Amino acid sequence: GAVVSQHPSWVICKSGTSVKIECRSLDFQATTMFWYRQFPKQSLMLMATSNEGSKATYEQGVEKDKFLINHASLTLSTLTVTSAHPEDSSFYICSAREGGVSQGSPLHFGNGTRLTVT
Amino acid sequence: LAKTTQPISMDSYEGQEVNITCSHNNIATNDYITWYQQFPSQGPRFIIQGYKTKVTNEVASLFIPADRKSSTLSLPRVSLSDTAVYYCLVGRSSGSARQLTFGSGTQLTVLP
Repeated sequence: GAVVSQHPSWVICKSGTSVKIECRSLDFQATTMFWYRQFPKQSLMLMATSNEGSKATYEQGVEKDKFLINHASLTLSTLTVTSAHPEDSSFYICSAREGGVSQGSPLHFGNGTRLTVT
Repeated sequence: LAKTTQPISMDSYEGQEVNITCSHNNIATNDYITWYQQFPSQGPRFIIQGYKTKVTNEVASLFIPADRKSSTLSLPRVSLSDTAVYYCLVGRSSGSARQLTFGSGTQLTVLP
């Protein structure tokens, strides 16, 4: 089945620094990947849609200059949290969907990245 | 966007069958119904997807009535390791994820 790999699984950084999270589709190509954020005891919230070779699409209320998304290849999307602050501490999850499947396919999720900003 | 409503929590005992129902009254013609399982500090894991009637795989069954305004995830003979949050999502099975909105999910607790 389709596998999405996310790295790192956890990261601790100091306030004001930047952190990059990688999301890879291991056995399929994904022209589109999706980034979610999840706070404790809450559901997943879609942050942005990452488009290979073009700009990402951000959901309302998500700062595009703070959460930089790059989708340079068909198997890799990165999310960079710039100038991180403690309120950015959260669980970040990426997902992707296999393309070219005639009947559609479900989203497959990475294992998430726990970001703690001190 | 098709909104979903699920029970916030459910308790069960090991070995029992668990049925979790999701309401999605405004489901669109092209929408599929997908269920995910999430353990703490992990990404959601795909369980099952269906469009109508009944779908079964090695871990679960999905029952969808003719009007498709609800669906029921059935987990046979649950074990302690099935304790997790279960999400029902409704939306197209291709293209953007923007219309796949995560609801509050159902916290299933399996007791010994």
